[in-house]
Amino acid sequence: DIQMTQSPSSLSASVGDRVTIACRASQSIRSSLNWFQQKPGKAPKLLIYAASSLQSGVPSRFSGSGSGTDFTLTISSLQPEDFATYYCQQGYSTPCTFGQGTKVEIK
Amino acid sequence: QVQLQESGPGLVKPSETLSLTCTVSGGSISRNYWSWIRQPPGKGLEWIGYIYYNGSTNYNPSLKSRVSISLDTSKNQISLRLRSVTAADTAVYYCARRVVRGVNNWFDPWGQGTLVTVSS
Repeated sequence: DIQMTQSPSSLSASVGDRVTIACRASQSIRSSLNWFQQKPGKAPKLLIYAASSLQSGVPSRFSGSGSGTDFTLTISSLQPEDFATYYCQQGYSTPCTFGQGTKVEIK
Repeated sequence: QVQLQESGPGLVKPSETLSLTCTVSGGSISRNYWSWIRQPPGKGLEWIGYIYYNGSTNYNPSLKSRVSISLDTSKNQISLRLRSVTAADTAVYYCARRVVRGVNNWFDPWGQGTLVTVSS
């Protein structure tokens, strides 16, 4: 199985901050990397697919980059509604696997 | 747009079979892949498996011996069965459409999820 490791596991930030979350795969997954946002009690929501494509309806302050084994999710200016847990997920091979999550909290 | 809704018992006894249904509205289950994903309370996400509209399946090896996914095209429903459950199977179970574009694939949309507790 391909292991997905996110860093950090949690972070504290203020509204307006630029936030970066990293995701590393245990082997190359080309660009088959997706990012999800999950709020408490809710289902995950797709933000970014294929490493850098913004899902329809997702604000442009979210962006994704990377290929191979190293990927990044960036929130350019953190908004109050962005406090949540973020997961990366590889779709390169089955079983598809998720990172352990990064919780973004209010500073 | 496509919406998914999970349903089924919220409590299952150890060693019994967990059975859930996902009803798709706003679109057909044909020509799509459909997945089940679960999340134990306070923990991360685990992919269970997927089914294609032609009935072909792909399961997580960690669950393969106990899981089966099927679909009913007449009812626009996808079903999950997990046999011989233990407390470790307590989780929120989500169904999601698996979108495939070339070499890439992703899960969207997701159902709201249903909590299944394994306890006597």
